[in-house]
Amino acid sequence: DTGVSQNPRHKITKRGQNVTFRCDPISEHNRLYWYRQTLGQGPEFLTYFQNEAQLEKSRLLSDRFSAERPKGSFSTLEIQRTEQGDSAMYLCASSPGASYGYTFGSGTRLTVV
Amino acid sequence: GQQLNQSPQSMFIQEGEDVSMNCTSSSIFNTWLWYKQDPGEGPVLLIALYKAGELTSNGRLTAQFGITRKDSFLNISASIPSDVGIYFCAGQGGSGYALNFGKGTSLLVTP
Repeated sequence: DTGVSQNPRHKITKRGQNVTFRCDPISEHNRLYWYRQTLGQGPEFLTYFQNEAQLEKSRLLSDRFSAERPKGSFSTLEIQRTEQGDSAMYLCASSPGASYGYTFGSGTRLTVV
Repeated sequence: GQQLNQSPQSMFIQEGEDVSMNCTSSSIFNTWLWYKQDPGEGPVLLIALYKAGELTSNGRLTAQFGITRKDSFLNISASIPSDVGIYFCAGQGGSGYALNFGKGTSLLVTP
């Protein structure tokens, strides 16, 4: 296991389409996080899972966004009816139990045209 | 989340020079973290600070957790071209909590 894996690396979609991203965390990490990063900004927190339970959601996560982690391993982030403002880098990170800081994946860059 | 104030926004230095950047917040954090991000990649953790006043080194990097718990700085000594990238500070309220990031310091190093 070499780290947090995210797929796809890049996604271009037309406005109004649905997209889904996948994140495979480091295998022994029970915590998984999704962040969004726009150009010139630091990453912004979206949501957090401990095992399969989604414990926290940011107000940035509108009702068009949904995240799942059905078996407490990989996670998916779906955006419905994409808008141009959704264009960003979507980062996934994971961490073991009670620890500080996370390991980030390389991200999925979404472009909505 | 809380937006951290990170400065400077960018730095353009010559190889061999030392670099200093800092981060302040209106809120107290229990942990300060420094990450480096290369273009098209996710942030990579450089240093984690867990206690007010703590000074920690990682090779040529040194970071300190401010006494007030509302600030942190990162120093890079004897910079080299591969130090180029964007450096982010992040504050964390507790174990497993969301990270609050600054806007980053873009570092360019000329040979």
